[in-house]
Amino acid sequence: DQQVKQNSPSLSVQEGRISILNCDYTNSMFDYFLWYKKYPAEGPTFLISISSIKDKNEDGRFTVFLNKSAKHLSLHIVPSQPGDSAVYFCAAMVSSNTGKLIFGQGTTLQVKP
Amino acid sequence: GAGVSQSPSNKVTEKGKDVELRCDPISGHTALYWYRQSLGQGLEFLIYFQGNSAPDKSGLPSDRFSAERTGGSVSTLTIQRTQQEDSAVYLCASNSVRGLGDTQYFGPGTRLTVL
Repeated sequence: DQQVKQNSPSLSVQEGRISILNCDYTNSMFDYFLWYKKYPAEGPTFLISISSIKDKNEDGRFTVFLNKSAKHLSLHIVPSQPGDSAVYFCAAMVSSNTGKLIFGQGTTLQVKP
Repeated sequence: GAGVSQSPSNKVTEKGKDVELRCDPISGHTALYWYRQSLGQGLEFLIYFQGNSAPDKSGLPSDRFSAERTGGSVSTLTIQRTQQEDSAVYLCASNSVRGLGDTQYFGPGTRLTVL
């Protein structure tokens, strides 16, 4: 049972345009969400997070939006750059005591020059 | 070192053999996690250590999987009698503050292939 889902395996955008990566979750008890970026042969690196008390968090070119009623979050990258090409994972924190995370399947973003 | 390191980077083994995967967390990090990523899947939680104890082992898929951590530092994930479905990238992460997911630092992973 996939509690965190990223339904788009891949996304291709032109440099300078907006990239929108989507993530859905099933458990309404989840209250903290994170996005990680992963390059080939490297471990995931933390990108941005959002608490359920907010509906938006922004960090430079990256903005995460949370829609609790729809159990949906999205990551916006604007403007997209070729260096943003990577696999992006959405994750939900299951336990604040342990930091345990449940990850989505990932979306491969390709930003074309 | 500056980051989380894992060894070996690649491991090819025959079905039925035992393997050991090693994780060196960032110095001083008390929390340590093991995940695995099978082909086309997301990261799957395996086990969480706080210091040398493992309060959450709920993700270990079978009793062929075990892990230990010594000295509050290095951790070893052992898979006994490997099966082809164990083929995956095994990732280790460490964290300086218990419970804060956004500061989990990941190693590069060990790619395990079971023939």
